[in-house]
Amino acid sequence: QKEVEQDPGPLSVPEGAIVSLNCTYSNSAFQYFMWYRQYSRKGPELLMYTYSSGNKEDGRFTAQVDKSSKYISLFIRDSQPSDSATYLCAMRGFGGGADGLTFGKGTHLIIQP
Amino acid sequence: EAGVVQSPRYKIIEKKQPVAFWCNPISGHNTLYWYLQNLGQGPELLIRYENEEAVDDSQLPKDRFSAERLKGVDSTLKIQPAELGDSAVYLCASSPSGQGISDTQYFGPGTRLTVL
Repeated sequence: QKEVEQDPGPLSVPEGAIVSLNCTYSNSAFQYFMWYRQYSRKGPELLMYTYSSGNKEDGRFTAQVDKSSKYISLFIRDSQPSDSATYLCAMRGFGGGADGLTFGKGTHLIIQP
Repeated sequence: EAGVVQSPRYKIIEKKQPVAFWCNPISGHNTLYWYLQNLGQGPELLIRYENEEAVDDSQLPKDRFSAERLKGVDSTLKIQPAELGDSAVYLCASSPSGQGISDTQYFGPGTRLTVL
């Protein structure tokens, strides 16, 4: 079992729909949780950064962390065709330095116009 | 502010040949990372530098891979000799200090390596 599990999709939804993307993880040491967006042939771009459990909202994006269930989510409201990309969840512990991130394999999202 | 710069963007070589990738991090960023991303997978950490010191290279296949970060700024990742299975995207990332609890890693566009 990998440390971080993420459904690779593809996930196809119509424009304007609410999108829900999820990851589960097994390592209790993970404390910081991130969502990156990656367009084709580009590097990952940070979307959301959360610490521990709870919700964080930024515009159309909401990140949710449930440490008791080892489950994180990203919600996209009013989805746009420009949101079509691969979404990677990432996480790390805190060992006194900025450890490397552990990523899910990414979910390929397609927003249909 | 310029982002993380990587070169070349694409590289095609024959197996058993050597290859090198270069990374220039964001100015002032002390921590530098090299990740490997296979097709359909998330990035996997190869090595992390704090300034010029490699502080985590446990996932770097040391029989054929090497890296350096002279003067604590630019970094080079080398493969010698390359194998077919090394075909992937090699991503470089940097973060400001390596000590902050809210450190953010910024990624470059990657180098796409194809080994024939």
